[in-house]
Amino acid sequence: DAEITQSPRHKITETGRQVTLACHQTWNHNNMFWYRQDLGHGLRLIHYSYGVQDTNKGEVSDGYSVSRSNTEDLPLTLESAASSQTSVYFCASSPTRNSPLHFGNGTRLTVT
Amino acid sequence: SQQGEEDPQALSIQEGENATMNCSYKTSINNLQWYRQNSGRGLVHLILIRSNEREKHSGRLRVTLDTSKKSSSLLITASRAADTASYFCVYSGSARQLTFGSGTQLTVLP
Repeated sequence: DAEITQSPRHKITETGRQVTLACHQTWNHNNMFWYRQDLGHGLRLIHYSYGVQDTNKGEVSDGYSVSRSNTEDLPLTLESAASSQTSVYFCASSPTRNSPLHFGNGTRLTVT
Repeated sequence: SQQGEEDPQALSIQEGENATMNCSYKTSINNLQWYRQNSGRGLVHLILIRSNEREKHSGRLRVTLDTSKKSSSLLITASRAADTASYFCVYSGSARQLTFGSGTQLTVLP
């Protein structure tokens, strides 16, 4: 069965370190998204991609970057981790722009 | 922020009762979706209603949409303990970006 997987599930890192969260989908979806979920804020869009070599900034993109070198993967990089980036991160994909999203199970990141 | 608002924030009911959650939004929309999130898991899509639809059913789920009031409701009939989760409305406007509501935490007591 097709799926979307995130790794790692849990990560603890120190302030200032570079961190990369992986997202891999086997749906062959063009669209991929990264969200962060914090209490009181719901889900907020960080970055998204509508296809290979396409990346776009979302609502809360500062301090994050993504790259899309193939259809299956959209890694999220925190260039210099900050305590404010402690959160649960979700990757999602969809076949078209108005289609329902398929979510991974999230990565819980703690920046100490 | 264009974040949607959900009401109530938390709802606790007995098994077998119906659960109703409401969502209000601020912009014109193309469609509105409802998702469920179990603790520690990603969101799972439940149902999508288009802006030209007023009501939609899927199993025990019933969704209504009132574009004049910019609101939607999700009704879960004959609730079960397994329905315990957070429920989010998500809508797509002219910018085609998805906006998430703040969620309703539903607890179904056995």
